[in-house]
Amino acid sequence: EAGVTQFPSHSVIEKGQTVTLRCDPISGHDNLYWYRRVMGKEIKFLLHFVKESKQDESGMPNNRFLAERTGGTYSTLKVQPAELEDSGVYFCASSPTKGFYGYTFGSGTRLTVV
Amino acid sequence: AQRVTQPEKLLSVFKGAPVELKCNYSYSGSPELFWYVQYSRQRLQLLLRHISRESIKGFTADLNKGETSFHLKKPFAQEEDSAMYYCALSGTGRRALTFGSGTRLQVQP
Repeated sequence: EAGVTQFPSHSVIEKGQTVTLRCDPISGHDNLYWYRRVMGKEIKFLLHFVKESKQDESGMPNNRFLAERTGGTYSTLKVQPAELEDSGVYFCASSPTKGFYGYTFGSGTRLTVV
Repeated sequence: AQRVTQPEKLLSVFKGAPVELKCNYSYSGSPELFWYVQYSRQRLQLLLRHISRESIKGFTADLNKGETSFHLKKPFAQEEDSAMYYCALSGTGRRALTFGSGTRLQVQP
């Protein structure tokens, strides 16, 4: 089966610009998660979708971040406007509905805000 | 609040030596604990979880609720074990994972 796909793999933008990251989960996985690792810090949870609904968005840092999952398939994470401290690696992961055996992660998007 | 602590940023051992990657957690309920691994230029992948009590690639981890630990062990390290290892916890009723800061394991020939 195809894994979790994220793109772009790298993005360099200027402070104040907008960036949209995309994640395609494993087909049939209702659960989709976003995480990020900013420089020198732990991997932090951002939010969790079940199908198209936000199940848990307690980790979203502020209202400059907007995540969507229209139709319950792929998801986008928009950062607008981007700030320097948003630089890091953004990971997406997915898991099936039944049971919780851990996630399957994507390879991540490295975002650099200059 | 839940927290995962991996006290060692780097652990360097020689091939064939035993390995123990430490993980301590704090959580008031009954957590689920996981170990994830990231090999060079690869994505994060699940190594093992405490519920299954399995051994993957020779690694084992036992949940010690008294000491709130979930240390990862392997009796004889191999060079291909060199990677970044993350301990993670999920709380009751939540699928969000809290990660430790990670330990880089270097296995020297």
